[in-house]
Formats: sequence, C-alpha cells, structure tokens
Amino acid sequence: GEDVEQSLFLSVREGDSSVINCTYTDSSSTYLYWYKQEPGAGLQLLTYIFSNMDMKQDQRLTVLLNKKDKHLSLRIADTQTGDSAIYFCAESQRNQGGKLIFGQGTELSVKP
Amino acid sequence: NAGVTQTPKFQVLKTGQSMTLQCAQDMNHEYMSWYRQDPGMGLRLIHYSVGAGITDQGEVPNGYNVSRSTTEDFPLRLLSAAPSQTSVYFCASSYSPGQHGYTFGSGTRLTVV
Repeated sequence: GEDVEQSLFLSVREGDSSVINCTYTDSSSTYLYWYKQEPGAGLQLLTYIFSNMDMKQDQRLTVLLNKKDKHLSLRIADTQTGDSAIYFCAESQRNQGGKLIFGQGTELSVKP
Repeated sequence: NAGVTQTPKFQVLKTGQSMTLQCAQDMNHEYMSWYRQDPGMGLRLIHYSVGAGITDQGEVPNGYNVSRSTTEDFPLRLLSAAPSQTSVYFCASSYSPGQHGYTFGSGTRLTVV
C-alpha cells in the first residue's frame, strides 16, 4: 500500500543548511509536496515537485527527487529560527481523487 | 476570502456523545478532505470529496460520517465518540490538487473523556 516515511527530528544551528528527507513507496505518485506546520496552526504548502522533475529551487528551498530510490528531500539554505516547525512530505497518486498521503512529519529545531 | 474555516476550535466530549465538526470554504473548491493528526503519525485521511454529492473513505474512516450537499461545506460527524478519537482534526480544500496542493483550516482540537 501507500507509505510515506520521514525521520522525526532534526536539529541545526542558525545559518546552517537543513536537509529533511522523505521516502515513499508508490511509484504512481504524480506530485510530491512539502508542507510546513507552525505550533498551533494548520499546514502551509511550501513547495511541490512533479514526478517527472529531478530538482526544483525556490529561493532558500531546494527540492530533490530521486525516482529510482523513491526519495525526496527538502534543503533549506541559511536556516533561521523562524524556520523551526514541523515539515511534512506528502504524495498524491494518479487517479486517486486528488487525495494526499502524508509522512509522519519532521520537527526541525533551529538553535541560535 | 476567509479560506477554510473550521468550527469549533476546541471541543471536549464525553464517551458516547455525538457531534459535528464544521468545515466551510469560500474559494469554490471542488476537492475537500478531512484529516486527523496524532503525535508521531502525521496526518491520516478520514474522508474526502471530489465534488458536491460525492464522498469516499480514506485511511481511517471508521466512526466518522461525512456528506457534501454543497460545494462550500463538508461537515464531519462523530457518531459515538470514543477516547481513541481524541485528536486534532484538519479540513482542507483544493481547486486542483496537482500543482496547487490543498489549503488547510486551522484545526479543531477534540478531547474525548
């Protein structure tokens, strides 16, 4: 079945780069997403990548997709304390009514 | 535009009680979903809808009902609350889930005692 896996915690120093990893099992995934959740809030779409792309860059964010290994990563350059949050990867499958399957979320802690 | 509005924000129920979590969006989105969020488990899909009159089950539908009589509203009903349904519930909507993803509400924190 569908499964999306993430490590639960990541701690970095302010100014360093953060890399959050995700693996998925469904090879029919069409879009893969990264969402950010700040404490007490809903989820905010950060970026997405289409399954026929290898990389997407958006300001400080870089998404890498390795389709062979079914591995997705989010790199945040020059990480700031305001980037502290939970980051979720999610996939949507072809012809599945647009539903999203989420990973467990990675809690990013940025230390000054 | 209010976006996705969920009410109430907080609720405490006794075991066996029923209630409806409300979700409304004013963006004319066809796709709507309900998720529950539990620590260490991410978001799990309860029910979803691809348009008015059309609903389907997600990963964890047991104990929940939905209906979609209008494009704007997608209420989630708990039939007989159980402590295992203590969670944070999120409603989300989308015009076209592909590159637009989903817009999420701010959540309802439900405690069943």
